[in-house]
Amino acid sequence: QKEVEQNSGPLSVPEGAIASLNCTYSDRGSQSFFWYRQYSGKSPELIMFIYSNGDKEDGRFTAQLNKASQYVSLLIRDSQPSDSATYLCAVLSTDSWGKLQFGAGTQVVVTP
Amino acid sequence: DAGVTQSPTHLIKTRGQQVTLRCSPKSGHDTVSWYQQALGQGPQFIFQYYEEEERQRGNFPDRFSGHQFPNYSSELNVNALLLGDSALYLCASSLGVSGNTIYFGEGSWLTVV
Repeated sequence: QKEVEQNSGPLSVPEGAIASLNCTYSDRGSQSFFWYRQYSGKSPELIMFIYSNGDKEDGRFTAQLNKASQYVSLLIRDSQPSDSATYLCAVLSTDSWGKLQFGAGTQVVVTP
Repeated sequence: DAGVTQSPTHLIKTRGQQVTLRCSPKSGHDTVSWYQQALGQGPQFIFQYYEEEERQRGNFPDRFSGHQFPNYSSELNVNALLLGDSALYLCASSLGVSGNTIYFGEGSWLTVV
């Protein structure tokens, strides 16, 4: 059973601070990694994707990938109340292209 | 540029009934996947359609079936509804079965009573 694990939270973050979200995956064949943001009652919204080891930055978001440790993370800098949402980690494997494997999500609460 | 559109947005069905959900993919996309998301869980893959054929299927019973039309739109059918089928049903589109950029529609909320 291929698994994607995330801490469920809630992760409470003061406004302006850095939120750090972690995700581990079990399938070593995983090739593509995604972070989705989901507001309550809404559908997932793609924030970032990363394929290669290292860091990838997009605005206030940085994704970090370490394939040897089977670990992907998301940093949110200068957290804003509008960042309060559930963040879903998702993984694509080479033997199941197009089939995203999701974690259960981490709830982030940014407090003013 | 139209995104992924789904209908209906909300519906209530009685146990044992059948439901059909519809999806139009993002402009330029030809592959549609369906996911089920129960409360407090991540989305679970149901199946994927490409070139009007089911290409991949997740661990869902045969009560869940689908179809893709020549214009790439898709339907998800669920027969003999159970209370446990109550969930948010998400349609996702991509370009090709190996498309790495996958976008979701707003979803269809199904409540089975």
